[in-house]
Amino acid sequence: GAGVSQSPSNKVTEKGKDVELRCDPISGHTALYWYRQSLGQGLEFLIYFQGNSAPDKSGLPSDRFSAERTGGSVSTLTIQRTQQEDSAVYLCASSRRRDTEAFFGQGTRLTVV
Amino acid sequence: EDQVTQSPEALRLQEGESSSLNCSYTVSGLRGLFWYRQDPGKGPEFLFTLYSAGEEKEKERLKATLTKKESFLHITAPKPEDSATYLCAADTTLHGSSNTGKLIFGQGTTLQVKP
Repeated sequence: GAGVSQSPSNKVTEKGKDVELRCDPISGHTALYWYRQSLGQGLEFLIYFQGNSAPDKSGLPSDRFSAERTGGSVSTLTIQRTQQEDSAVYLCASSRRRDTEAFFGQGTRLTVV
Repeated sequence: EDQVTQSPEALRLQEGESSSLNCSYTVSGLRGLFWYRQDPGKGPEFLFTLYSAGEEKEKERLKATLTKKESFLHITAPKPEDSATYLCAADTTLHGSSNTGKLIFGQGTTLQVKP
């Protein structure tokens, strides 16, 4: 597709379970970002990839959160042992280069019950 | 600490009533200021990038401007379809470092345009 694609669109999981969120960036975009948006909150930066490397992981809130990117394309954000405070919309974005505008996907709404 | 503040939090306009949204930033080494539009249940949609004070960009009824301390999004003769949350974000790459991808987002201004 032409835009950033995220799956699933919605995910309901039980507290303590692990979840994987997927992001397919725009073809040819070398930079990829994950953000989190909680109800009534602004966008919170999680992690930045340049190619398959993550030079900035400073926003990951705990060691339960991890992410990887393979083939300079698809990225997966994994949350282990989910907690209720992890409930949020997780947004992925990609850009052609580090310093150009980022285009966002529609997000994955995660609900931990 | 790097910070981006948007005002007002919410704005109600009548169709055709022009207004401006404010984005104040306190960051070190601003490299770019981005404006996005976000509709409910969707991801942010890119609108503009501004790189230097005095720069202006326009798209349909929207015009974005940048000073050394703030950015404005001017909406001229808005229509109901302009109703959305408008987000601004600062690129805070420090001292020329390319190792961070962090955009600092404001909380957004939710605009409602009534017919």
